[in-house]
Amino acid sequence: SYVLTQPPSVSVAPGQTARITCGGNNIGSKSVHWYQQKPGQAPVLVVYDDSDRPSGIPERFSGSNSGNTATLTISRVEAGDEADYYCQVWDSSSVVFGGGTKLTVL
Amino acid sequence: QVQLQESGPGLVKPSQTLSLTCTVSGGSISSGSYYWSWIRQPAGKGLEWIGRIYTSGSTNYNPSLKSRVTISVDTSKNQFSLKLSSVTAADTAVYYCARGSVVVAATLFFDYWGQGTLVTVSS
Repeated sequence: SYVLTQPPSVSVAPGQTARITCGGNNIGSKSVHWYQQKPGQAPVLVVYDDSDRPSGIPERFSGSNSGNTATLTISRVEAGDEADYYCQVWDSSSVVFGGGTKLTVL
Repeated sequence: QVQLQESGPGLVKPSQTLSLTCTVSGGSISSGSYYWSWIRQPAGKGLEWIGRIYTSGSTNYNPSLKSRVTISVDTSKNQFSLKLSSVTAADTAVYYCARGSVVVAATLFFDYWGQGTLVTVSS
C-alpha cells in the first residue's frame, strides 16, 4: 500500500515561513491535498490538487508537488496557524493520509 | 452551505456492531458528483479513511477494514451510514463523515466534514 511520510513536528517563529513536507514514491504523479486540524475540531481543507486553495483560505497557504515530495508552505505564519497538518492522496481506489505534522508557532 | 452531522451510539460493546448515520443538509446528497466518506481518528493519532459511497451505491473501502465495513446511502433521507462489525477497543475513535469531491480524475479530497462523534468500545 502507498505510504505518505510527514515530519512529526515543525517549528517556526511568527512572521516566518513554514514548510511541511509529505514524501511518497513518485508523489509528483498524484494530486496531493492538505488539511489543517486544530484541537477538538474537524479537519479543514487548505490546499487541494497540489496547489489550489478553497475559497476562504488565505493566500498565505500554498502547495507544490514534484518528484517524491509535496510541500505545504505557510507564509507570514501567525499564532492561529498552530495546528496539525495532514497530506492526503488517492491511490489504488483508496484514500491515504500522511501521519500528520504538528506545527508549533514559537 | 453544505453541513454534515454524525449521529449514533457513543458506546459500543466489544464484538458488537458500530452503527453511525450522517445527515446531509444544505443540499441534496444525490446532486453533483460527490463521494460520501467515513474517516476516523483515535485519540492523539492521525486520520484513517474507512470508506466511501457514491449515490449510485458503489463503494470503496480501506483494505485493512474491508471485511468488517458496510457503507450505505438513503437518498430519500439525505443520509449515509456506516456499520463496522466485530469491534474491539482499537476501534475507539472520533468518527467523521465527509463529502469527497473530484476536480481532476483519479483523485478525491474532502471539502466538507461533520463535527465528529466519539465512539468508545468498552464493556
